[in-house]
Amino acid sequence: EVQLLESGGGLVQTGGSLRLSCAASGFTFTSHAMSWVRQAPGKGLEWVSSISSGGVNTYYADSVKGRFTISRDNSKNTLFLQMNSLRAEDTAVYRCARGAYSEIYDMGAGYLDDWGQGTPLTVSS
Amino acid sequence: DIVMTQTPLSSPVTLGQPASISCRSSQSLVHSDGNTYLSWLQQRPGQPPRLLIYKISNRFSGVPDRFSGSGAGTDFTLKISRVEAEDVGLYYCMQATQFPFTFGGGTKVEIK
Repeated sequence: EVQLLESGGGLVQTGGSLRLSCAASGFTFTSHAMSWVRQAPGKGLEWVSSISSGGVNTYYADSVKGRFTISRDNSKNTLFLQMNSLRAEDTAVYRCARGAYSEIYDMGAGYLDDWGQGTPLTVSS
Repeated sequence: DIVMTQTPLSSPVTLGQPASISCRSSQSLVHSDGNTYLSWLQQRPGQPPRLLIYKISNRFSGVPDRFSGSGAGTDFTLKISRVEAEDVGLYYCMQATQFPFTFGGGTKVEIK
């Protein structure tokens, strides 16, 4: 069974930093691209960042570019999101999501087929 | 960025009756490889999103066959043939044809 377990969220001051983790199990982690998607309270889904299966290619939403860094440790089946210069508008539940397997593309097969429960982040002054 | 527009915002439905959700993209979602990376997600209250449909019309593993997807280019539809109580929640379309991935604003399906 696929499991994605996020951790590291919490309350942080404006301008602060935090690192989120997503521990993956139940599948071959190294074969899948991974993404972070966030959801502000009462709002819809917002894609944040994606990383290729091997960790070489990364993509970011403009709203977080230059402040957030996605990475992965394939030896530990873990995905990370380092978040710096945090703003109130970053307040959200952050979920990791697995990219569907692709034999061709290291960024996945074009959809997110499994999602974690999420970890909440509150940024406040 | 590709903007995804969903309608309606809310869909009150009688149990056993059909429901339909529309999703329109601001540009074609046809990828250079010929695929269209449009998917549909369901989010039940208090739960994470769950994949229902991928590449327009492919039902994901374990998804009941009352869910179906259709469309092409910039116009897509999710249909529930007979709404059940467990279908209550928010539904999102998502495009992954190009970065940044983008989502529709969501449609709330509720029982009348």
